[in-house]
Amino acid sequence: KQEVTQIPAALSVPEGENLVLNCSFTDSAIYNLQWFRQDPGKGLTSLLLIQSSQREQTSGRLNASLDKSSGRSTLYIAASQPGDSATYLCAVKGYQKVTFGTGTKLQVIP
Amino acid sequence: NAGVTQTPKFQVLKTGQSMTLQCAQDMNHNSMYWYRQDPGMGLRLIYYSASEGTTDKGEVPNGYNVSRLNKREFSLRLESAAPSQTSVYFCASSDALGRLSSYNSPLHFGNGTRLTVT
Repeated sequence: KQEVTQIPAALSVPEGENLVLNCSFTDSAIYNLQWFRQDPGKGLTSLLLIQSSQREQTSGRLNASLDKSSGRSTLYIAASQPGDSATYLCAVKGYQKVTFGTGTKLQVIP
Repeated sequence: NAGVTQTPKFQVLKTGQSMTLQCAQDMNHNSMYWYRQDPGMGLRLIYYSASEGTTDKGEVPNGYNVSRLNKREFSLRLESAAPSQTSVYFCASSDALGRLSSYNSPLHFGNGTRLTVT
């Protein structure tokens, strides 16, 4: 059974810092890994999707990496801004199922 | 482009009442999903529909039924609501699971329905 873990559960950083969010998974037989952002009271917004054959994906200030063999992914946020404050979730897609982590709640302090 | 639309946004039910949560997508996706999100437990799959006319159970299907009305719409019904069903419910869609070319289609979510059962 796939298990997805995100540590830490919460993170607080000053504005302008570069930061890394972590996601680990137990079964490396995956098709892709997707990072989402969730604002309070809202749905999930897709940020990046990394296919199993890829090592990283970039979108603006975001860079996601994937090391399938070690069961790890990281989401790097450059020059953080208060608007980046949200909960970040990773989700791993297996053959028939997507398994979600419980998220990291990020607060960027002005 | 509305994406995935869920109604209602909020609902309060008494134990034993029934209701249907509605979901519609306008992206011509074949697959649709219902998740529930509870504090500390992440998102858990209730039911999914890999294509029009098919539905399958997810991790936590007990107490729920679904209908894939057409390609656009996928509804979730609670026949006799219980306090344990208090949660935030999300509908999502993506391209079909069954085709190799679609395995890397991202999930798109609606904004959720906050349900309280008293």
